[in-house]
Amino acid sequence: DAGVTQSPTHLIKTRGQQVTLRCSPKSGHDTVSWYQQALGQGPQFIFQYYEEEERQRGNFPDRFSGHQFPNYSSELNVNALLLGDSALYLCASSLRAGVSYEQYFGPGTRLTVT
Amino acid sequence: GQSLEQPSEVTAVEGAIVQINCTYQTSGFYGLSWYQQHDGGAPTFLSYNGLDGLEETGRFSSFLSRSDSYGYLLLQELQMKDSASYFCARNNAGNMLTFGGGTRLMVKP
Repeated sequence: DAGVTQSPTHLIKTRGQQVTLRCSPKSGHDTVSWYQQALGQGPQFIFQYYEEEERQRGNFPDRFSGHQFPNYSSELNVNALLLGDSALYLCASSLRAGVSYEQYFGPGTRLTVT
Repeated sequence: GQSLEQPSEVTAVEGAIVQINCTYQTSGFYGLSWYQQHDGGAPTFLSYNGLDGLEETGRFSSFLSRSDSYGYLLLQELQMKDSASYFCARNNAGNMLTFGGGTRLMVKP
């Protein structure tokens, strides 16, 4: 049973560029959430996708956008990259109608903006 | 507000017991979760408390007091492999998580 997978594992971009990160949820899960984790801090919620729609959004600017596909996989797009966007981007999956509150996290994508 | 407060660092010796406290603001609160994250790794779920009281899972236990807006994670019989960061997280509507800043636990021999 494959867990949550993310690609790429590492990425280096230049300020002003755009980036797309990808996530495949755990088998059977239908909800994908994205988090940003700066070094030494806790993850911060970016947004959540369910049924191909953004359902909740954290305090992140419109430069951060996403998409969910019919197979439940998801993309996170960040435009006009800033140095402060350097962080570990985590994807977490869960089952919307499940009784468990557990979220399964992927290994993350380490984004460095120079 | 959404913030959670937890100590930044805790040090303990192998075999000991350690308690990591977490206080939170109550607006929109559904429950409190705990996650473990090793350096370079993904957060992994440890426990969830939706109601007051103690939840026990092996060497780890978690406690919640909704009236005090307070919870803790208790780790018993500490092992070297328990050295990691531990995060408390509020479960909000739609199972969205708000994380604390994390507690770095160092277990010494």
